[in-house]
Amino acid sequence: EAGVAQSPRYKIIEKRQSVAFWCNPISGHATLYWYQQILGQGPKLLIQFQNNGVVDDSQLPKDRFSAERLKGVDSTLKIQPAKLEDSAVYLCASSLLRGEAFFGQGTRLTVV
Amino acid sequence: AQSVAQPEDQVNVAEGNPLTVKCTYSVSGNPYLFWYVQYPNRGLQFLLKYITGDNLVKGSYGFEAEFNKSQTSFHLKKPSALVSDSALYFCAVRGERAAGNKLTFGGGTRVLVKP
Repeated sequence: EAGVAQSPRYKIIEKRQSVAFWCNPISGHATLYWYQQILGQGPKLLIQFQNNGVVDDSQLPKDRFSAERLKGVDSTLKIQPAKLEDSAVYLCASSLLRGEAFFGQGTRLTVV
Repeated sequence: AQSVAQPEDQVNVAEGNPLTVKCTYSVSGNPYLFWYVQYPNRGLQFLLKYITGDNLVKGSYGFEAEFNKSQTSFHLKKPSALVSDSALYFCAVRGERAAGNKLTFGGGTRVLVKP
């Protein structure tokens, strides 16, 4: 079974630039999550989709972050404009409704 | 709001000794509880889960966890630790009644197993 695919693995951008991350979940998983993990901390949920609807985005900085889930499958997370404090690993995960989440390898973003 | 607490930033244990990583939670309704492990520069790997049934659940790599409803805890255990168990461990919870089945993680506990 293929796992959660994320790209790119690494990205370096200057502050105020924009960046986008892509995620392809495990086939059949209706729930998709984007987490932000700052070095040494636990993952913070940015947004959670159920199929292509948003069920939680309470911690998403909506003035600069946006996310969409196309046709209930792939998802993109965008940051525009980026700030230094956005430097982190962005993790995508997917799951069945109440099951365990399976994670991708993550995208390490460095904002300089 | 649901939350997870991992009170120890780091746990040090000698190889061959028992390992315990603590986790307490707060959630509406019955909890669904999970443990994950993270190795350097890797994503999170699922270890085990509690949904319902036996309070002692067994998972990957010899790990087990005990659900205690009265203490709202879900401590991770391994009877005999290996050096290769050195990693970052995260506890997570979602609530039966939580809107959208939100999955919340604790801050993590670094485990260092010394030879």
